[in-house]
Amino acid sequence: EDQVTQSPEALRLQEGESSSLNCSYTVSGLRGLFWYRQDPGKGPEFLFTLYSAGEEKEKERLKATLTKKESFLHITAPKPEDSATYLCAVGGGADGLTFGKGTHLIIQP
Amino acid sequence: KAGVTQTPRYLIKTRGQQVTLSCSPISGHRSVSWYQQTPGQGLQFLFEYFSETQRNKGNFPGRFSGRQFSNSRSEMNVSTLELGDSALYLCASSPGQHQETQYFGPGTRLLVL
Repeated sequence: EDQVTQSPEALRLQEGESSSLNCSYTVSGLRGLFWYRQDPGKGPEFLFTLYSAGEEKEKERLKATLTKKESFLHITAPKPEDSATYLCAVGGGADGLTFGKGTHLIIQP
Repeated sequence: KAGVTQTPRYLIKTRGQQVTLSCSPISGHRSVSWYQQTPGQGLQFLFEYFSETQRNKGNFPGRFSGRQFSNSRSEMNVSTLELGDSALYLCASSPGQHQETQYFGPGTRLLVL
């Protein structure tokens, strides 16, 4: 059974203060690791897909990396609009996605 | 391209009733998955459909069911509603039958009284 653990549960940063979110996973075989952003009352918004260890993807202030046991979402010089819950998931296809509980990120101006 | 749409957006029901939720995937997407999101359990997989066939189901009771139509639109049904069924129900679509990225709709907020 796939398992995903995200840490920290919550993170409060000052605007411009860079940090990283962690996603540890246990799978029988990695079929894909996905990062989503979710704003209150809305559906998750896709950010990145990673398939193999060593892979990295970037988008604006966000960069996702993947190892054989975990993934990191690095946020550089965040702005208040980056405040959201960031979700990590593994799996996909017919098996569905297994999600972590998320990291609630608050960026204070 | 239009995104995933879900109707209705909000719903209030009473215990014992049944409810049907609808999902229209992104044009060209043939796989539709459903998830339940609650504060305590987070996002949990309900079931997945591809070409009108349910390929997998999560650990939910038989009161939860679904179907997919030939145009890839999908519905899920919950019968004999319980208070614990109050949640955000999310639909996601992906292009095909492999582990591609899933794109989520805005969700249907169900409140059971």
